[in-house]
Amino acid sequence: AQKITQTQPGMFVQEKEAVTLDCTYDTSDPSYGLFWYKQPSSGEMIFLIYQGSYDQQNATEGRYSLNFQKARKSANLVISASQLGDSAMYFCAMRSRTGTASKLTFGTGTRLQVTL
Amino acid sequence: GAGVSQSPSNKVTEKGKDVELRCDPISGHTALYWYRQSLGQGLEFLIYFQGNSAPDKSGLPSDRFSAERTGGSVSTLTIQRTQQEDSAVYLCASSLRDTKNIQYFGAGTRLSVL
Repeated sequence: AQKITQTQPGMFVQEKEAVTLDCTYDTSDPSYGLFWYKQPSSGEMIFLIYQGSYDQQNATEGRYSLNFQKARKSANLVISASQLGDSAMYFCAMRSRTGTASKLTFGTGTRLQVTL
Repeated sequence: GAGVSQSPSNKVTEKGKDVELRCDPISGHTALYWYRQSLGQGLEFLIYFQGNSAPDKSGLPSDRFSAERTGGSVSTLTIQRTQQEDSAVYLCASSLRDTKNIQYFGAGTRLSVL
C-alpha cells in the first residue's frame, strides 16, 4: 500500500520569501511518480510539478521546485519568491508505475498563507 | 473544451434520492478518474476508466455508487439512495496514458444531501 504524509497542516510565509512544504511517502513499488497540486479556495486542483522515481535531476517548473530525496522518501515542494496568489491548499500525491495501477494517493494537505 | 468539465457545479438533494454527476474529459485523454473530497480532507479515489472499461473500481464505497463511460469520453457517476455521508465534492480527472500520467482535474461537483 502507498501512503503520503504531510505533517504541516498550515504554514505562513511573507511575500517574496521562499517556503518549503514537506512530503514523505511510503511505497514498496520500484517505480512511481510524485506530484504536487494546488487547490485555491475556488476548489479546482491545479497540477504544479511532477517527479519520476528514476529521474536523475530534481524537477523544476518556474517558481516551483521539488526537492527529491529518494533514500529518505521525501519529496518536498519549494516555492520561491512567494506571491499573495500562492495562498492555497497544497497536496502531495503519488502514483505507482508498476503494472496497471493508475490512481493517485493523496496526503492530507498543507494550507499556505502568504502575508504582506 | 480546453479542460475537464463537470456538471452540475452544485447539487442539493434529499436523502434517499438518486443523483447523476457528469464529467467531460480533455479531448484525447483515454484515462478518466473519479475522486471524492470530504470537507477539509484529502482526495479519496473512487474509480478509474481506461477507455470505456474500469480496471479499478476499488474505491467505490458501496453498491449505491456506480459509474460508466461511453464512447471513450463522457463519464457519469451515479449515487443511488443518497445518504448524508455522501455529501462531498466529487472531482473528475483525465490523463494521457503515458509515462508521467499527469491527471488534470475539473472544478468538481459539490453534493449536499439534506
